[in-house]
Amino acid sequence: DIVMTQSPDSLAVSLGERATINCKSSQSVLHSSNNNNYLAWYRQKPGQPPKLLIYWASTRESGVPDRFSGSGSGTDFTLTISSLQAEDVAVYYCQQYYYTPRTFGQGTRLEIK
Amino acid sequence: QVQLQQSGPGLVKPSQTLSLTCAISGDSVSSNIVTWNWIRQSPSRGLEWLGRTYYRSKWYNDYAVSVRSRITINPDTSKNQFSLQLNSVTPEDSAMYYCARAKDCSGDICYRWFDPWGQGTLVTVTS
Repeated sequence: DIVMTQSPDSLAVSLGERATINCKSSQSVLHSSNNNNYLAWYRQKPGQPPKLLIYWASTRESGVPDRFSGSGSGTDFTLTISSLQAEDVAVYYCQQYYYTPRTFGQGTRLEIK
Repeated sequence: QVQLQQSGPGLVKPSQTLSLTCAISGDSVSSNIVTWNWIRQSPSRGLEWLGRTYYRSKWYNDYAVSVRSRITINPDTSKNQFSLQLNSVTPEDSAMYYCARAKDCSGDICYRWFDPWGQGTLVTVTS
């Protein structure tokens, strides 16, 4: 199975500051024929299921604020929150959808400093 | 807007069968462009994909190796829902269980992220 490794496990950032979460896959999730990276990011708030934020590594889901951005290619990816808001406190997960079984990172807990 | 509504018991005895149902609104379990999935989440295993069912002229299932000998996912076209059965459960099967939809591929472009998700069912395996 493809292993997704996120760093850090937890992160404390001041309101209005930038938060950066990294995700590394054990194999490339770049589809060479269409140049799409099969990588999604989710946010999970307490008591809720994960919610899709970003797919194809960098495309924001409809309704997701533009302070969220995704980048990277191949095996290394980053989720950036440009200006942290209080409602962004959550656990964030990356997930690859190139290989079966689909696999998730272990999660990064984001808190307010 | 697609919505998934889960139902089923939250308490299961060891060695018995865990059974959950996911009712679909806004889409069809028989759609030939999506898959219907079960995923669980626990502190020890994180988010773990368990399996899926999907229709492509006939019904198919794929299951995770970790549960393959114990799992069944079935569609119910009359009720537009799908179900999860996990046999011979142990306390290690205690987790939050989610159903989720994933779209499939169009040509060589695949939309296989999970969206939406059901609300989740906390299942505890205990005597």
